[in-house]
Amino acid sequence: DIQMTQSPSSLSASVGDRVTITCRASQSISTYLSWYQQKPGEAPKVVMFGASSLQSGVPSRFSGSGSGTDFTLTISSLQPEDSATYYCQQSYSIPRTFGQGTRLEIK
Amino acid sequence: EVQLVESGGGLVQPGGSLRLSCAASGFTFSSYNMNWVRQAPGKGLEWVSYITSTSSSMYYADSVKGRFTISRDNAENSLYLEMNSLRAEDTAVYYCARRDLEGHNHLDYWGQGTLVTVSS
Repeated sequence: DIQMTQSPSSLSASVGDRVTITCRASQSISTYLSWYQQKPGEAPKVVMFGASSLQSGVPSRFSGSGSGTDFTLTISSLQPEDSATYYCQQSYSIPRTFGQGTRLEIK
Repeated sequence: EVQLVESGGGLVQPGGSLRLSCAASGFTFSSYNMNWVRQAPGKGLEWVSYITSTSSSMYYADSVKGRFTISRDNAENSLYLEMNSLRAEDTAVYYCARRDLEGHNHLDYWGQGTLVTVSS
C-alpha cells in the first residue's frame, strides 16, 4: 500500500498569510494526488486534483504543485473561511490512501 | 444538481449487520465509478471500497475485506454497502463519493454521510 504523510499536522496562521501544506507519498504516484477540504460537521470537498488543477468554484488563492512523491498545497492569502482540515489522497493505486490530515486554524 | 444522499446508518451490536444506501441524482449514475469513504469520530478519512460503473470490478480496504460488500443498481441510481460482522472499530460516518470521469480519479462529489455506531 502507498502511505501518504502530511505535514504539519496542524498550523495556525493569520488572515493574509501564505500557507503551505506538504504531502509525501511512499512511492511515486505521478500526479494522481488530490486535496480535500473538510469543515466541522461537513463532508469533504475537493479543492485540487491532478496535483495542480483547481476544482471549479474554488478560489484562485489555492494552488497545488508536485509530482512523483512530493506535493504541496498553498493558500496564497489566507481567509477566515479557509479554516478547515485538509487531506491529501493518492488515486494512483488501490487502496486509495489518505494523508492523516492538516488542521488549519486562523489566529 | 449532483446529489448523493446516504441512508441506513444507525446503532448495531458487535457482530451485527447493516446495509447502507446512497441515492444518486442529477447525473448519469451508470457512467460513474463510485466509492465509500468513512471517518471515525474525531479521526481522519479512510477509503473503504470502490465499484466500477458496470459492477465489473470491486475493491476493498484490507480492514473490511471479507466483511463488507459494495454493490449498485444502475436502474435505481443507487449504491449500497452491505456490512457484516461489524466491530466497534467500524463506528464512523460513511460517505458515498463519485469518482470523476476525466481520468484524474479524484472524488468530485460527496454525500453528507450516514453515521454507523457499533456498540452493545
